[in-house]
This record gives sequence, C-alpha cells and structure tokens, in this order.
Amino acid sequence: AQSVTQLGSHVSVSEGALVLLRCNYSSSVPPYLFWYVQYPNQGLQLLLKYTSAATLVKGINGFEAEFKKSETSFHLTKPSAHMSDAAEYFCAVSNFGNEKLTFGTGTRLTIIP
Amino acid sequence: GAGVSQSPSNKVTEKGKDVELRCDPISGHTALYWYRQSLGQGLEFLIYFQGNSAPDKSGLPSDRFSAERTGGSVSTLTIQRTQQEDSAVYLCASSSWGGANTGELFFGEGSRLTVL
Repeated sequence: AQSVTQLGSHVSVSEGALVLLRCNYSSSVPPYLFWYVQYPNQGLQLLLKYTSAATLVKGINGFEAEFKKSETSFHLTKPSAHMSDAAEYFCAVSNFGNEKLTFGTGTRLTIIP
Repeated sequence: GAGVSQSPSNKVTEKGKDVELRCDPISGHTALYWYRQSLGQGLEFLIYFQGNSAPDKSGLPSDRFSAERTGGSVSTLTIQRTQQEDSAVYLCASSSWGGANTGELFFGEGSRLTVL
C-alpha cells in the first residue's frame, strides 16, 4: 500500500517569502513522487516529479522539491512567493509498474500582499 | 481537442436518479483515470483503464458506481441511484505512461455533481 500525508491544509505566506509545503510518503517499494497544482477554476497540472534520478528536482514556476529517503519526505519549496502562486497543491505517490497515483488531501496556498 | 474534455461541467440531480459523466481523453493516450474530489478529502481514486487490460476498479465506492471505456477512447462514469454523499467534482485524466511521460496525468476541468 502507498500513501502520502500533506501537513497543513492551509498555508499562508507573504509575497516574497519562502514557500514550504510538506509531504511525507509511505511506500513498501521505492516510490515515484509528484506535486500537482490546481489553480482556481482550472484542472490539475504536473508541477514536478521524482522518478529515482536526481533527488533534487526542479519544476515549473521556480518550484523545487527534494526527495529524502531517510525522512520519507518530498517537501515542495520556492524561495520567493508570488501572488500567482496562490493555488491548491497536491502531493502524489506511485511506483514502478504501478500506474495508479495516490494523492494527498491537498494544501491551499494563500499569498498575502 | 488538445486537452481532456469532460461533460457536463455541472450537473444537479435529485436523490435516487442516475447520472452519466463523460470523459474524452487526449488522442493517443492509452491510460484513463477517474478521481473524485470532495472538499477536504483530496483526490480519491475511482477507476483506471490501461489499453485493453482489465480496468482497476479498486476505488469504486459502491456497486452503484460503474465505468466503461469504449474503443479505448471515450469513457463514461455512471452513478446509479445517486445519494447526497455522491456530491463532488469528478475528475478524469489521461496519460501515455512510460519513460519521460511517467506520472504525468493530464486532467480535465471536472464535472461538478450536486445531488439534492
């Protein structure tokens, strides 16, 4: 079985501040990990993914995430928040040979002007 | 079209009625997924189709839910005898799994179902 836990259903940061969205996973085999973003009134889109290559992965819009096996974590960061980053972010897990993505409950990011 | 298309975008129905939700995936994508998005519940996996293989139905919450995919393309999710707890946004996604495409699901904008 595989699962992800996203800590904090709502996160607020000031414009220009660091964004940190937390995701911890559980998987009995080496995982593939993903972050998806859902902007208001839009469908989900892939932000970045880890599939057993480099542990630090970079995505669109300046976001990056680091796979830490020892901590079973895949936290999403961005050095400087922008108003356009306001959205809901979902962490997801799958693994080799398993094409079913299991999503977390999501974190709604609010940017304070 | 260029993306995943879902219809209807909004559906209001009365408790006990049947509903059908349609998904038209990206042309050439072999994998098709249905998820349900409820407030505070994240994305709940419902069913997954891959090519001609038997679908993974492990996420369907009850036997009132069924889905089919005709000709490896369009999919229909059917909910029979709808209940108020079925109210949610139903999301469809497609992908061409493998290699550089691993894990990249392309989502439609969803069908919002409200059961009165």
